[in-house]
Amino acid sequence: GIQVEQSPPDLILQEGANSTLRCNFSDSVNNLQWFHQNPWGQLINLFYIPSGTKQNGRLSATTVATERYSLLYISSSQTTDSGVYFCAVAKATGANNLFFGTGTRLTVIP
Amino acid sequence: EAQVTQNPRYLITVTGKKLTVTCSQNMNHEYMSWYRQDPGLGLRQIYYSMNVEVTDKGDVPEGYKVSRKEKRNFPLILESPSPNQTSLYFCASSFRREPLHFGNGTRLTVT
Repeated sequence: GIQVEQSPPDLILQEGANSTLRCNFSDSVNNLQWFHQNPWGQLINLFYIPSGTKQNGRLSATTVATERYSLLYISSSQTTDSGVYFCAVAKATGANNLFFGTGTRLTVIP
Repeated sequence: EAQVTQNPRYLITVTGKKLTVTCSQNMNHEYMSWYRQDPGLGLRQIYYSMNVEVTDKGDVPEGYKVSRKEKRNFPLILESPSPNQTSLYFCASSFRREPLHFGNGTRLTVT
């Protein structure tokens, strides 16, 4: 399967700070998604982004498929951003055989 | 409301007692899948289905069965649960080339 490495593994931020989370993957992909797992365990899809850049409010993501990495930017962080952020990739355009990284645990302190 | 519904949310059972975790989606998605989440191992795919009557193994299928008789339902069956299947389970669904939607999870404990 595809190896997915996320960094950093843990991140602690003051409220209002900005952060960048990175996802490196070992093979070409046609499906890349970012998820947020909140402290209650719910997994929420943030972006479907096999290539290019997308923005959604304070969050944005960029995937450079040719260089096998993706970045998730969080600006003006809030305590509700706390949780674990996962990157997941697949060779297929569909979500079959989607491989997850082990996540970045973000803690935002007031 | 568009959603993926899993039941039950919590389940405690004993070794060898057959159980089923149900999953239903109301978005007419072709694709459905099951994952397990374990500390330090992240999420790993158990089985997936590309459409009705089409299922395939993921990374960790041993000890599990699935069926896809209807488009909206994708139950996960543990014929003879063992303690190493204690985990947090998630069902998910999507259209091709679109974001994956997860259910709220089922925490299973096998004693």
